[in-house]
Amino acid sequence: GESVGLHLPTLSVQEGDNSIINCAYSNSASDYFIWYKQESGKGPQFIIDIRSNMDKRQGQRVTVLLNKTVKHLSLQIAATQPGDSAVYFCAGTSGGYQKVTFGIGTKLQVIP
Amino acid sequence: DAGVIQSPRHEVTEMGQEVTLRCKPISGHNSLFWYRQTMMRGLELLIYFNNNVPIDDSGMPEDRFSAKMPNASFSTLKIQPSEPRDSAVYFCASSPAGNEKLFFGSGTQLSVL
Repeated sequence: GESVGLHLPTLSVQEGDNSIINCAYSNSASDYFIWYKQESGKGPQFIIDIRSNMDKRQGQRVTVLLNKTVKHLSLQIAATQPGDSAVYFCAGTSGGYQKVTFGIGTKLQVIP
Repeated sequence: DAGVIQSPRHEVTEMGQEVTLRCKPISGHNSLFWYRQTMMRGLELLIYFNNNVPIDDSGMPEDRFSAKMPNASFSTLKIQPSEPRDSAVYFCASSPAGNEKLFFGSGTQLSVL
């Protein structure tokens, strides 16, 4: 859907705890999903991706879960660190088409 | 690899002036994307190129916006004439062939007064 809004959803997490960032998508034809991290003053940076034929994928300290039934995506960050503070975007595309659509983003604040 | 390089990093101009933003994609990447980011609308795709050819420019807001990619290592996004509502951060990104993973530059912060 459209990414509109003045205020980003914010998630505050204590350092060392696990973080879960959620994303809902509307296009049921979407078959490839990506999570990006954007630090202040920088461009978005790839974190992890997942194809629609999977429901879970793990990286280093990060896990992405995909629930196609309810069109929901989540990013789990284990043992959250101050360096994880950033805005996190989910993005999706379909049919190998390179037109990637970004969600509104979630701001993660890590409390030391 | 130096990554995607954008210039300038900051641009302040007056309404009505022409603005040119520049991008050098990662060597070997064959797709290039221009995005605009604002608080109101988030990240919006403006246009993207495959092998220097514009594929989808449906996101370009108006005829005042134009983009070119004269060769595989350079692209420009031009706004003429610029307006205050064009103020935003403009990102360029590139990706390898057959890969949806985008590599973003650091962006150009544009302020139109």
